[in-house]
Amino acid sequence: AQRVTQPEKLLSVFKGAPVELKCNYSYSGSPELFWYVQYSRQRLQLLLRHISRESIKGFTADLNKGETSFHLKKPFAQEEDSAMYYCALKRNTGKLIFGQGTTLQVKP
Amino acid sequence: GAVVSQHPSWVICKSGTSVKIECRSLDFQATTMFWYRQFPKQSLMLMATSNEGSKATYEQGVEKDKFLINHASLTLSTLTVTSAHPEDSSFYICSASQAGSGNTIYFGEGSWLTVV
Repeated sequence: AQRVTQPEKLLSVFKGAPVELKCNYSYSGSPELFWYVQYSRQRLQLLLRHISRESIKGFTADLNKGETSFHLKKPFAQEEDSAMYYCALKRNTGKLIFGQGTTLQVKP
Repeated sequence: GAVVSQHPSWVICKSGTSVKIECRSLDFQATTMFWYRQFPKQSLMLMATSNEGSKATYEQGVEKDKFLINHASLTLSTLTVTSAHPEDSSFYICSASQAGSGNTIYFGEGSWLTVV
């Protein structure tokens, strides 16, 4: 079955601390994975995708096919990073399957 | 960047009535749009794939007669919740895929539906 799992509903860290938002997936083909972010009262927006191997707002994510994971990391969290983060997998049909989402709370 | 707009942003309707939500791609053509439903503090659940000029493809468990989708043009898809009930109250989000940009998917701002 195709599935995306984000085991943590809430992750609370202090400003300046490292952050890792976990994402595991189950997919039979070659996965295309994304991280989306939803700030308070705003629409969902793309944060990064694994194929571009980019760093956005200090966040990075590496696809680990052996562990079927795509964890999102940032070495030093900022208060403005507080948001809801969704890991998503794109099927070959173009459909996105979302994880349950993790709320990141960065405390001052 | 590309923009996807939904209208209305929020709507309240009475039980038994129908309500239509529009999804527009403002500066690009979208042959495919997707409709999601999101319950509070939960993930997005894909309801259906809307294809321009053809019937929508519904996900398992989604009633096609309940949630009517029409994709009449390359920039507009509509979701009509028919004979709405309080359990249909939810946040509905659409997304559209922009071809030629690595098929980047852009999301609308969402529409809150409350059925009373």
